Amino acid sequence: EAGVTQFPSHSVIEKGQTVTLRCDPISGHDNLYWYRRVMGKEIKFLLHFVKESKQDESGMPNNRFLAERTGGTYSTLKVQPAELEDSGVYFCASSLTGPPNKQGSNTEAFFGQGTRLTVV
Amino acid sequence: AQSVTQPDIHITVSEGASLELRCNYSYGATPYLFWYVQSPGQGLQLLLKYFSGDTLVQGIKGFEAEFKRSQSSFNLRKPSVHWSDAAEYFCAVAPYNQGGKLIFGQGTELSVKP
Repeated sequence: EAGVTQFPSHSVIEKGQTVTLRCDPISGHDNLYWYRRVMGKEIKFLLHFVKESKQDESGMPNNRFLAERTGGTYSTLKVQPAELEDSGVYFCASSLTGPPNKQGSNTEAFFGQGTRLTVV
Repeated sequence: AQSVTQPDIHITVSEGASLELRCNYSYGATPYLFWYVQSPGQGLQLLLKYFSGDTLVQGIKGFEAEFKRSQSSFNLRKPSVHWSDAAEYFCAVAPYNQGGKLIFGQGTELSVKP
């Protein structure tokens, strides 16, 4: 079974350009999460989808970031226009049923290998 | 505010030596705690998790972690490190009733000397 896959693995763009990151979760996983790690910092939560609905987008840094999950399958994260401080590694994760923090749950969040975004 | 601290940014141990990676959290209630590992070119992989019950948790690859409420710690241990354990390790807390959100520490990079 394929894991969580992210495209592209690396992206280098100029400030002001637009970039779209894609995440394909594990088939059948309703929950999809985006995280970001800026150089030297901790991995930070961006948002959580349940199927196609945004359950929690409290971590989205500003309105230059737009996440979508049409049809409840793959998700895209668009940055428009990109700024230098957007550079970092963007991780996607998915889980089958319910959040991984639910007591008694055996649900695990599976992470992709990340997309390294460099804005120059 | 909820937070996770991993005091050691980089640790080097000799192969066969024991390992302990430190993790401290700040959270008002008993949290759900996790350790993840990221090997080069790979995604984050769950090593182990603590929800409740026995405070010593066994994970994959021979790792274990101990929850100590009095110290707000969840340190990761391995009795004998293998060269393949070289990776970056992340401690995380999942606040209760906040969906699937994980709050991560800064990560500890482990190097293994032959």
